[in-house]
Amino acid sequence: ETGVTQSPTHLIKTRGQQVTLRCSSQSGHNTVSWYQQALGQGPQFIFQYYREEENGRGNFPPRFSGLQFPNYSSELNVNALELDDSALYLCASSLLTTGISYNEQFFGPGTRLTVL
Amino acid sequence: SQQGEEDPQALSIQEGENATMNCSYKTSINNLQWYRQNSGRGLVHLILIRSNEREKHSGRLRVTLDTSKKSSSLLITASRAADTASYFCATAEYNNNDMRFGAGTRLTVKP
Repeated sequence: ETGVTQSPTHLIKTRGQQVTLRCSSQSGHNTVSWYQQALGQGPQFIFQYYREEENGRGNFPPRFSGLQFPNYSSELNVNALELDDSALYLCASSLLTTGISYNEQFFGPGTRLTVL
Repeated sequence: SQQGEEDPQALSIQEGENATMNCSYKTSINNLQWYRQNSGRGLVHLILIRSNEREKHSGRLRVTLDTSKKSSSLLITASRAADTASYFCATAEYNNNDMRFGAGTRLTVKP
């Protein structure tokens, strides 16, 4: 167990709807990153939040947005869902230190999103 | 976009044998990390090797890094059925806050 939790475990939505996924980071970590993992593929970086501000973003459209709260919990919001958004969504927390990009990341178990 | 490419895509071995997986990447990196994933669950961090390191060990794991060839390898010695999983390499670049994963190697260890 990494101490990182995600909710819900599974979710089914229809095309065009909006979804919010939640993540609770490991205690003491100041950074959370979100990833999308399609079946049979490696995780794709969506964005990272550091001290409640977006600190980097991958090649995802603006309808993917996020929040990080003072207690280091985090949300991933996806608007106008498309069929291709069906995937496992993973959050990972870490401790970002000056001059070092990406220390060890601790992943949650993921949320499986199905878009019909 | 994915940077690391693992090779082979799939590997099947007998318990007790060694398993070697390779990873190639394209850009200069700060560090490279290996992760394991069991059946579509969360990833587990295995080992981190920094760009100025050439080799690291952790238990039955040995990781090498060759920055001149932009490649890394993960060796699992004396494999066990419990090592059956997908293994991913991930690279972290300087001044870039995304971490790029490869597509992974699917390892099957037969008892």
